[in-house]
Amino acid sequence: EAGVAQSPRYKIIEKRQSVAFWCNPISGHATLYWYQQILGQGPKLLIQFQNNGVVDDSQLPKDRFSAERLKGVDSTLKIQPAKLEDSAVYLCASSLDSAGIYGYTFGSGTRLTVV
Amino acid sequence: KQEVTQIPAALSVPEGENLVLNCSFTDSAIYNLQWFRQDPGKGLTSLLLIQSSQREQTSGRLNASLDKSSGRSTLYIAASQPGDSATYLCAVRDSNYQLIWGAGTKLIIKP
Repeated sequence: EAGVAQSPRYKIIEKRQSVAFWCNPISGHATLYWYQQILGQGPKLLIQFQNNGVVDDSQLPKDRFSAERLKGVDSTLKIQPAKLEDSAVYLCASSLDSAGIYGYTFGSGTRLTVV
Repeated sequence: KQEVTQIPAALSVPEGENLVLNCSFTDSAIYNLQWFRQDPGKGLTSLLLIQSSQREQTSGRLNASLDKSSGRSTLYIAASQPGDSATYLCAVRDSNYQLIWGAGTKLIIKP
């Protein structure tokens, strides 16, 4: 089965600019997650979708971050405007069930550098 | 509140050695525990998933054990190779279905 696809792999932007990341989960996986991973730390959940509905976005900085999953498949994560502290790897993951009982599959991530 | 700790933060061993990575968690009420591998600047690759009713899982040279009562999991790597160099993270699915992560152990295998 094809894995979780993410693009771009790398992005360098100046602070106050905007950026968008794209994710295509494994076919049939209803649940999609966006994580932020700062160097040396474990991933931090930003948002969880079940089909095209939001299950958990409690840690998403909503003043600058937004995410959507319009047709319950692909998803985009946007940052506008970016800050220096947003430099991180942004990881997309999907799971078969909303509880993650069968585990997660992650994409390769997008490394964002804000200068 | 569930907390996950991985000690040591970094480990360097010669090629060929068998080694153990540790993961501890504070609340034994978990659904499962998953071990991941992460290469520098890359995404996460799932290695092993242990359900709460299981004691261990094996895949090739990797063996993961789970002892819920003591709040511990170990990842055993046999006959280590330079290609095993990476950061290894464990994550616990807690009673609220939240995934709680450790900070990882950075492993270096010296040729």
